[in-house]
Amino acid sequence: GENVEQHPSTLSVQEGDSAVIKCTYSDSASNYFPWYKQELGKRPQLIIDIRSNVGEKKDQRIAVTLNKTAKHFSLHITETQPEDSAVYFCAASIGNTGTASKLTFGTGTRLQVTL
Amino acid sequence: GAVVSQHPSWVICKSGTSVKIECRSLDFQATTMFWYRQFPKQSLMLMATSNEGSKATYEQGVEKDKFLINHASLTLSTLTVTSAHPEDSSFYICSAPDSGRGQLETQYFGPGTRLLVL
Repeated sequence: GENVEQHPSTLSVQEGDSAVIKCTYSDSASNYFPWYKQELGKRPQLIIDIRSNVGEKKDQRIAVTLNKTAKHFSLHITETQPEDSAVYFCAASIGNTGTASKLTFGTGTRLQVTL
Repeated sequence: GAVVSQHPSWVICKSGTSVKIECRSLDFQATTMFWYRQFPKQSLMLMATSNEGSKATYEQGVEKDKFLINHASLTLSTLTVTSAHPEDSSFYICSAPDSGRGQLETQYFGPGTRLLVL
């Protein structure tokens, strides 16, 4: 089955700096890669996702890049703010039209944005 | 849109009792829902895939007789933890894709149910 590795496990940055979180996946058939933000005791919230037919996607301060050949994808957060502090999870799935597909999650990155 | 709710949000029970957790899609229909378990400071681990009108599919290592799943309607899936023990204490989260949006990869998560077994 799919295996997703995520690094680093913890990341501390100063407010205004950029943060980068990296994930690798094992199954070359995976074609959907979402990123979730989870605050303590809350549900995971989808912040951005990318499909294998594109290499990069950006939404304001958040961007995701995908390298299918190397089987890795990364989350980039620019101009970090204290409210970005949370645990971030990457995930991968094999998405097919017409059927729901299960997600395999990375181990998570605890991001701390300091003032 | 794409709101998923769970009930209860937290529950404390005695060892040996059973606990039922409900997962509802409020503004869309979900033929499939997923159940995850999350231990403190750990990732989400998929337990099972709940399919409306048919049997759930369990992940390797998850006891189907202990974690009973019923998906009786297009908006409701239930997870029953039978004969709960302290090691079952965890955060249980469900998710569902919104088939109406045509992109079944995107999953929307419920707020989670925190279970504490004494």
